[in-house]
Amino acid sequence: GAGVSQSPRYKVAKRGQDVALRCDPISGHVSLFWYQQALGQGPEFLTYFQNEAQLDKSGLPSDRFFAERPEGSVSTLKIQRTQQEDSAVYLCASSPFFTSGSSYNEQFFGPGTRLTVL
Amino acid sequence: GQQVMQIPQYQHVQEGEDFTTYCNSSTTLSNIQWYKQRPGGHPVFLIQLVKSGEVKKQKRLTFQFGEAKKNSSLHITATQTTDVGTYFCAGRGYQKVTFGTGTKLQVIP
Repeated sequence: GAGVSQSPRYKVAKRGQDVALRCDPISGHVSLFWYQQALGQGPEFLTYFQNEAQLDKSGLPSDRFFAERPEGSVSTLKIQRTQQEDSAVYLCASSPFFTSGSSYNEQFFGPGTRLTVL
Repeated sequence: GQQVMQIPQYQHVQEGEDFTTYCNSSTTLSNIQWYKQRPGGHPVFLIQLVKSGEVKKQKRLTFQFGEAKKNSSLHITATQTTDVGTYFCAGRGYQKVTFGTGTKLQVIP
Protein backbone atom coordinates (compact mmCIF):
# COMPACT_ATOMS: atom_id res chain seq x y z
CA GLY A 1 0.00 0.00 0.00
CA ALA A 2 0.98 3.64 -0.36
CA GLY A 3 3.07 5.14 2.37
CA VAL A 4 3.42 8.75 3.46
CA SER A 5 4.35 11.05 0.60
CA GLN A 6 5.76 14.54 0.69
CA SER A 7 6.22 17.17 -1.98
CA PRO A 8 8.32 18.74 -3.17
CA ARG A 9 11.27 16.54 -2.28
CA TYR A 10 13.66 19.47 -2.69
CA LYS A 11 13.00 23.17 -2.45
CA VAL A 12 15.41 26.04 -2.90
CA ALA A 13 14.15 29.41 -1.79
CA LYS A 14 15.64 32.85 -1.67
CA ARG A 15 15.65 34.45 1.73
CA GLY A 16 12.37 36.21 2.29
CA GLN A 17 10.32 33.95 0.05
CA ASP A 18 7.31 32.00 1.29
CA VAL A 19 7.25 28.21 0.87
CA ALA A 20 4.56 25.54 1.22
CA LEU A 21 5.39 21.91 1.95
CA ARG A 22 2.81 19.20 1.44
CA CYS A 23 2.26 15.92 3.27
CA ASP A 24 -0.05 13.11 2.18
CA PRO A 25 -0.42 10.74 5.14
CA ILE A 26 -1.48 7.11 5.01
CA SER A 27 -5.21 6.94 4.41
CA GLY A 28 -7.17 6.65 7.63
CA HIS A 29 -4.37 7.74 9.92
CA VAL A 30 -5.68 10.06 12.59
CA SER A 31 -2.38 11.43 13.88
CA LEU A 32 -0.04 13.60 11.85
CA PHE A 33 3.25 15.11 12.99
CA TRP A 34 5.64 17.59 11.43
CA TYR A 35 9.33 17.57 12.34
CA GLN A 36 12.36 19.65 11.43
CA GLN A 37 15.65 17.79 11.08
CA ALA A 38 18.86 19.76 10.77
CA LEU A 39 21.94 18.07 9.34
CA GLY A 40 23.39 15.57 11.80
CA GLN A 41 20.61 16.12 14.33
CA GLY A 42 17.54 14.21 15.44
CA PRO A 43 14.04 15.17 14.32
CA GLU A 44 12.67 18.12 16.29
CA PHE A 45 8.93 18.14 16.90
CA LEU A 46 7.08 21.03 15.30
CA THR A 47 3.36 20.33 15.52
CA TYR A 48 0.71 17.63 15.89
CA PHE A 49 -2.71 17.13 14.34
CA GLN A 50 -5.45 14.77 15.39
CA ASN A 51 -7.68 14.68 12.33
CA GLU A 52 -8.16 18.36 11.43
CA ALA A 53 -7.46 19.69 14.92
CA GLN A 54 -4.03 21.09 15.62
CA LEU A 55 -3.59 19.97 19.22
CA ASP A 56 0.02 20.96 19.76
CA LYS A 57 2.05 23.60 17.98
CA SER A 58 4.55 24.21 20.73
CA GLY A 59 7.50 23.24 18.53
CA LEU A 60 6.92 25.81 15.81
CA PRO A 61 10.02 28.06 15.99
CA SER A 62 8.28 31.34 15.21
CA ASP A 63 5.05 32.85 13.95
CA ARG A 64 6.48 32.54 10.44
CA PHE A 65 5.63 28.85 10.60
CA PHE A 66 2.05 27.79 10.03
CA ALA A 67 0.54 24.34 9.53
CA GLU A 68 -2.92 23.20 8.56
CA ARG A 69 -4.86 20.01 7.88
CA PRO A 70 -8.27 21.32 6.94
CA GLU A 71 -9.99 18.05 6.02
CA GLY A 72 -8.10 15.76 8.32
CA SER A 73 -5.99 14.18 5.62
CA VAL A 74 -3.47 16.21 3.59
CA SER A 75 -1.42 18.69 5.58
CA THR A 76 0.56 21.74 4.54
CA LEU A 77 3.42 23.37 6.41
CA LYS A 78 3.92 26.97 5.36
CA ILE A 79 6.96 29.05 6.14
CA GLN A 80 6.73 32.76 5.52
CA ARG A 81 9.68 35.07 4.86
CA THR A 82 12.17 32.20 4.93
CA GLN A 83 15.49 32.68 6.70
CA GLN A 84 18.75 30.79 6.26
CA GLU A 85 18.26 29.08 9.63
CA ASP A 86 15.10 27.47 8.22
CA SER A 87 17.28 25.28 5.98
CA ALA A 88 16.63 21.69 7.05
CA VAL A 89 14.75 18.54 6.11
CA TYR A 90 11.08 18.76 7.02
CA LEU A 91 9.61 15.36 7.88
CA CYS A 92 5.98 14.41 8.09
CA ALA A 93 4.81 11.31 9.95
CA SER A 94 1.40 9.74 10.40
CA SER A 95 0.07 7.06 12.68
CA PRO A 96 -3.20 5.49 13.73
CA PHE A 97 -4.94 6.94 16.75
CA PHE A 98 -2.56 6.96 19.72
CA THR A 99 -3.46 4.57 22.50
CA SER A 100 -1.67 5.08 25.77
CA GLY A 101 -0.04 1.90 26.97
CA SER A 102 -0.32 0.24 23.59
CA SER A 103 2.75 -1.40 22.16
CA TYR A 104 1.72 -0.23 18.72
CA ASN A 105 1.97 3.49 18.11
CA GLU A 106 4.33 3.37 15.18
CA GLN A 107 4.92 6.53 13.25
CA PHE A 108 5.27 6.16 9.48
CA PHE A 109 7.58 8.79 8.07
CA GLY A 110 7.56 10.34 4.64
CA PRO A 111 10.78 10.87 2.65
CA GLY A 112 11.00 14.50 3.75
CA THR A 113 11.38 17.82 1.96
CA ARG A 114 14.90 19.24 1.93
CA LEU A 115 14.59 23.04 2.14
CA THR A 116 17.59 25.18 1.29
CA VAL A 117 17.31 28.92 1.86
CA LEU A 118 19.90 31.00 0.03
CA GLY B 1 11.18 20.79 28.73
CA GLN B 2 11.91 17.14 28.28
CA GLN B 3 15.37 16.27 27.00
CA VAL B 4 16.46 12.91 25.65
CA MET B 5 20.17 12.26 25.32
CA GLN B 6 21.91 9.35 23.66
CA ILE B 7 25.43 8.04 24.02
CA PRO B 8 27.67 7.54 22.26
CA GLN B 9 27.16 10.10 19.52
CA TYR B 10 29.22 8.02 17.09
CA GLN B 11 30.39 4.41 17.11
CA HIS B 12 32.67 2.62 14.69
CA VAL B 13 32.75 -1.16 15.00
CA GLN B 14 34.33 -3.98 13.08
CA GLU B 15 31.80 -6.21 11.37
CA GLY B 16 30.86 -9.00 13.77
CA GLU B 17 31.40 -6.90 16.91
CA ASP B 18 28.56 -5.96 19.22
CA PHE B 19 27.10 -2.44 19.54
CA THR B 20 25.09 -0.71 22.24
CA THR B 21 23.48 2.72 22.37
CA TYR B 22 22.03 4.23 25.51
CA CYS B 23 19.14 6.63 25.82
CA ASN B 24 18.51 8.81 28.87
CA SER B 25 15.53 11.07 29.50
CA SER B 26 15.35 13.99 31.91
CA THR B 27 11.79 12.95 32.80
CA THR B 28 9.89 9.71 33.20
CA LEU B 29 8.63 8.34 29.90
CA SER B 30 5.28 6.65 29.32
CA ASN B 31 6.92 4.67 26.53
CA ILE B 32 10.05 4.60 24.42
CA GLN B 33 10.27 4.07 20.68
CA TRP B 34 13.34 3.24 18.63
CA TYR B 35 13.91 4.29 15.03
CA LYS B 36 16.65 3.66 12.49
CA GLN B 37 17.59 6.21 9.86
CA ARG B 38 19.83 5.16 7.01
CA PRO B 39 22.06 7.80 5.40
CA GLY B 40 19.88 9.98 3.19
CA GLY B 41 16.73 8.22 4.36
CA HIS B 42 13.92 8.83 6.79
CA PRO B 43 13.39 7.32 10.26
CA VAL B 44 11.93 3.82 10.24
CA PHE B 45 10.18 2.46 13.30
CA LEU B 46 11.84 -0.49 15.01
CA ILE B 47 9.93 -1.07 18.23
CA GLN B 48 8.04 0.46 21.17
CA LEU B 49 8.46 -0.45 24.83
CA VAL B 50 5.87 0.53 27.43
CA LYS B 51 6.48 -1.46 30.61
CA SER B 52 9.08 -0.81 33.29
CA GLY B 53 11.97 -3.25 32.87
CA GLU B 54 10.62 -4.53 29.56
CA VAL B 55 13.00 -6.40 27.25
CA LYS B 56 12.20 -7.19 23.63
CA LYS B 57 14.23 -8.94 20.97
CA GLN B 58 14.18 -8.72 17.21
CA LYS B 59 16.67 -11.19 15.76
CA ARG B 60 20.08 -9.66 16.62
CA LEU B 61 18.56 -6.56 18.26
CA THR B 62 17.72 -6.40 21.97
CA PHE B 63 15.80 -3.46 23.41
CA GLN B 64 15.47 -2.67 27.10
CA PHE B 65 13.39 -0.14 29.04
CA GLY B 66 14.75 0.85 32.44
CA GLU B 67 12.98 0.14 35.70
CA ALA B 68 12.46 3.85 36.35
CA LYS B 69 11.29 4.38 32.74
CA LYS B 70 13.87 7.12 32.25
CA ASN B 71 16.41 5.17 30.23
CA SER B 72 16.60 2.59 27.50
CA SER B 73 19.17 0.72 25.50
CA LEU B 74 19.52 -0.96 22.13
CA HIS B 75 22.06 -3.74 21.74
CA ILE B 76 23.02 -5.27 18.40
CA THR B 77 24.84 -8.60 18.44
CA ALA B 78 27.36 -9.39 15.71
CA THR B 79 26.90 -6.26 13.63
CA GLN B 80 26.56 -6.45 9.87
CA THR B 81 27.14 -3.77 7.25
CA THR B 82 23.37 -3.53 6.83
CA ASP B 83 23.18 -2.18 10.40
CA VAL B 84 24.83 1.10 9.32
CA GLY B 85 22.73 4.15 10.13
CA THR B 86 21.68 6.43 12.96
CA TYR B 87 19.61 4.99 15.77
CA PHE B 88 17.19 7.26 17.58
CA CYS B 89 15.14 6.70 20.69
CA ALA B 90 11.98 8.75 21.11
CA GLY B 91 9.54 9.36 23.92
CA ARG B 92 6.02 9.26 22.50
CA GLY B 93 3.34 11.22 24.30
CA TYR B 94 -0.29 11.70 23.31
CA GLN B 95 0.40 14.68 21.12
CA LYS B 96 4.15 15.17 21.18
CA VAL B 97 7.22 13.13 20.45
CA THR B 98 10.71 13.91 21.72
CA PHE B 99 13.55 12.33 19.79
CA GLY B 100 16.94 11.61 21.25
CA THR B 101 20.16 13.00 19.87
CA GLY B 102 20.93 9.77 18.02
CA THR B 103 23.87 7.39 17.73
CA LYS B 104 25.51 7.06 14.34
CA LEU B 105 26.81 3.55 13.72
CA GLN B 106 29.52 2.80 11.19
CA VAL B 107 30.40 -0.84 10.51
CA ILE B 108 33.79 -1.58 9.05
CA PRO B 109 33.75 -4.67 6.79
